[in-house]
Amino acid sequence: NAGVMQNPRHLVRRRGQEARLRCSPMKGHSHVYWYRQLPEEGLKFMVYLQKENIIDESGMPKERFSAEFPKEGPSILRIQQVVRGDSAAYFCASSPLPKKSSGNTIYFGEGSWLTVV
Amino acid sequence: AQTVTQSQPEMSVQEAETVTLSCTYDTSENNYYLFWYKQPPSRQMILVIRQEAYKQQNATENRFSVNFQKAAKSFSLKISDSQLGDTAMYFCAFGSGGSNYKLTFGKGTLLTVNP
Repeated sequence: NAGVMQNPRHLVRRRGQEARLRCSPMKGHSHVYWYRQLPEEGLKFMVYLQKENIIDESGMPKERFSAEFPKEGPSILRIQQVVRGDSAAYFCASSPLPKKSSGNTIYFGEGSWLTVV
Repeated sequence: AQTVTQSQPEMSVQEAETVTLSCTYDTSENNYYLFWYKQPPSRQMILVIRQEAYKQQNATENRFSVNFQKAAKSFSLKISDSQLGDTAMYFCAFGSGGSNYKLTFGKGTLLTVNP
């Protein structure tokens, strides 16, 4: 799972600024997932993307959050006008094409820690 | 909606001994997957072990094994011969067979291995 690359590892933003978190999936993986971990909590699903497509964004907050996975380049999680409550660890994960017959194991990156001051 | 419960916020064990972390879940599905992830102080999320619900045999990975009780909806993790490097937060997670990328995590158990 070390193959999922996230940057930056740590990001500090003032309230009202924008945060951009980047994720490059493991080699050979075309499916990307973003999860958020609030302090003292487990991870919570945010969004599932394939190249140029959002497949499931049921866990994304309705406002200020967006995600993309362009044809070229990493996946981006963007948070506009950050607030203190956005302070959290944001984990990206990737997988190859999910198989209904054998399930899907997703592999996490090392996370990006956003602190809003 | 599925829920995952880890009833032990913290546990400790002496080096070389065995410890069991508990996890229960609630679902109406029959086809699903269960996982244990480890989050050491580096904060990386590392897959420890995975179990398919349709398999009766308990999964094993070296010193890590699970006790999967489907009827009781219980999925405990046993760590044998505990090592200092096992000190970490351990998360139990549920993945639905229909959308098994959308994992539901418990709140975690902080395991400390003492020398």
